Amino acid sequence: DGGITQSPKYLFRKEGQNVTLSCEQNLNHDAMYWYRQDPGQGLRLIYYSQIVNDFQKGDIAEGYSVSREKKESFPLTVTSAQKNPTAFYLCASSIDPGAVAKNIQYFGAGTRLSVL
Amino acid sequence: AQSVTQPDIHITVSEGASLELRCNYSYGATPYLFWYVQSPGQGLQLLLKYFSGDTLVQGIKGFEAEFKRSQSSFNLRKPSVHWSDAAEYFCAVGAISGGYNKLIFGAGTRLAVHP
Repeated sequence: DGGITQSPKYLFRKEGQNVTLSCEQNLNHDAMYWYRQDPGQGLRLIYYSQIVNDFQKGDIAEGYSVSREKKESFPLTVTSAQKNPTAFYLCASSIDPGAVAKNIQYFGAGTRLSVL
Repeated sequence: AQSVTQPDIHITVSEGASLELRCNYSYGATPYLFWYVQSPGQGLQLLLKYFSGDTLVQGIKGFEAEFKRSQSSFNLRKPSVHWSDAAEYFCAVGAISGGYNKLIFGAGTRLAVHP
């Protein structure tokens, strides 16, 4: 079954701690994305990657970091610099970011991060 | 600036009633438009998309949407709502920004269905 797997489903962070959210896809998609979702605000783009070993900041990258060492994997680290990390985090992927018509994004089931 | 507005934060309908969720966009070029649905605690699922051609597009689960360029709108409709349609619905526009293609999402409309 092809899809996007996010883990864990729930995550708790202590003050000053970095935490890493996992995102794995077996769709053979080139592009991957991380979004943050807060109630009433829709989805906001944190980081995106169009190809392995390359990634770009989105609209709200401060306090977050990513890596893209493999095509299938795009982990997101929420650092201690992110002062308000409580949110629902969604990972997505698309076949070809170079063409808008092919930028249909497919989403994982999300990770809910809370602060202890 | 590119943006998507969903004027209704919450909508409640009775099961079997018709539904229309509103979406207005602001984008200078020909828009690529999407509707996604999100069940509680889940990711987003694509309902339908508009790229070009026929302005009335059909999607999954009996949904359809109509693109009206003159009104900058892409409203989602369903003739008869089922209880399982209760979810949050997001309209999005595909845009080119900073050299890459991105999706700009509206804030969402939460749909409740009364039996």
